Amino acid sequence: DGGITQSPKYLFRKEGQNVTLSCEQNLNHDAMYWYRQDPGQGLRLIYYSQIVNDFQKGDIAEGYSVSREKKESFPLTVTSAQKNPTAFYLCASSRGLAGSHNEQFFGPGTRLTVL
Amino acid sequence: QKEVEQNSGPLSVPEGAIASLNCTYSDRGSQSFFWYRQYSGKSPELIMSIYSNGDKEDGRFTAQLNKASQYVSLLIRDSQPSDSATYLCAVKGSGGSNYKLTFGKGTLLTVNP
Repeated sequence: DGGITQSPKYLFRKEGQNVTLSCEQNLNHDAMYWYRQDPGQGLRLIYYSQIVNDFQKGDIAEGYSVSREKKESFPLTVTSAQKNPTAFYLCASSRGLAGSHNEQFFGPGTRLTVL
Repeated sequence: QKEVEQNSGPLSVPEGAIASLNCTYSDRGSQSFFWYRQYSGKSPELIMSIYSNGDKEDGRFTAQLNKASQYVSLLIRDSQPSDSATYLCAVKGSGGSNYKLTFGKGTLLTVNP
C-alpha cells in the first residue's frame, strides 16, 4: 500500500532536548512538507523540500531543522531553541512543488508534548 | 500575508440534510483549491480539489468555485453522522508562493442522528 508513515505517534520531550520526528513515503513523490497544527489554528508550514538534498524554510522554521538525503525520507528535528514545541506535527507529500495539480497528502501525524 | 477564512462553527445539521461549508481567500491569483476532512485527533484527509470556476461533484460532495468572488464552498448532501469532522479549506498560492498551501482554521461540522 502506498502512503506516508510518521513515527512515533506520540512523543514526550523534556526541556532542553532535541527530538527527531520521522516521515517516510512510498508514493514516489518529489515534494515533502512539514506542518504544525495548534488548537484553533490553521496548519502552518515549517519546512518543505522539492527534491533530494534541497529544502527551504517555511513560515515558522525557527527552532527546527530538516534533512532530505533520500527521496522517501524527510525527518524533522525539533531543537531546544523552539520555544513552544508542544503541537501536532504533520508530514505531507505531493508529486511536485509548483503547478496547479500537486495535491498534498498527509501522514498520520506525531503529537509532541514538552514535559 | 495571504489569508484563507472559514466560519469556525460549529455547524450543526440533522442527518440527511445538506451541509454547506464556505471559504474565502485573499490571493486573487490562486488557481488550486482543496477541501480536507479532519476527524478529531487524526490527520487531514483530502476529499476534494477544484481548479475551474463552477461545480465539481464527487459522490455526496460538491465543491463550488467562484474566482471572481474569491469564494469556494463544499456541499455535503445526505449528511451522515460519520461526516462529523472539521473541514479545512486550503488554497495554493500564486507567483512566488505557488509552492505553498494556505489553510483556513477549519469549520467544525456536527451531523445529528
